[in-house]
Amino acid sequence: LAKTTQPISMDSYEGQEVNITCSHNNIATNDYITWYQQFPSQGPRFIIQGYKTKVTNEVASLFIPADRKSSTLSLPRVSLSDTAVYYCLGGTALIFGKGTTLSVSS
Amino acid sequence: NAGVTQTPKFQVLKTGQSMTLQCAQDMNHNSMYWYRQDPGMGLRLIYYSASEGTTDKGEVPNGYNVSRLNKREFSLRLESAAPSQTSVYFCASSEAVRTGIYEQYFGPGTRLTVT
Repeated sequence: LAKTTQPISMDSYEGQEVNITCSHNNIATNDYITWYQQFPSQGPRFIIQGYKTKVTNEVASLFIPADRKSSTLSLPRVSLSDTAVYYCLGGTALIFGKGTTLSVSS
Repeated sequence: NAGVTQTPKFQVLKTGQSMTLQCAQDMNHNSMYWYRQDPGMGLRLIYYSASEGTTDKGEVPNGYNVSRLNKREFSLRLESAAPSQTSVYFCASSEAVRTGIYEQYFGPGTRLTVT
């Protein structure tokens, strides 16, 4: 199973760009990398998914290098409302781990 | 569309009591999941159902049973509740669990306390 490793916590200020990196050394050839966001007292919410290179949507960008052993979620110009826990999942491994708690301050 | 719905939202049980958590989705998804989340922890998979008629154990299945009643509904049963099962339970659904391409949609959760 593609277990992932990501920082436990990160701090940022409003307006900054935040990059959260996830390691997934044994991801399978066909697996995609998926990121979720979770606010307190809510279920996780899908943010973005990718296979390789770069994917961008209205919320975030996802960068995946050619070896696919890691990925970076990029949140442009964060606001206080981006304070949440962010989870990285590798492919069909339904393992969320503890995620990265992002705290955004004013 | 309601997405994924869960009932009840809150429940308090005494040790040894049983109960069933209900989950339903209206997105015609093949796969459904049950997770638990303890304070300060990530989600841990209890059971999942890749498709109607199949169920598989996840990371922490002990003390739980599941039923995939039909394509829409996936229930989680605690036969004899224990304080260690105090947690928030989330149900989720997705198109397919084994293609490598999937997005899970989560319900609002059930907050269960066992005294």
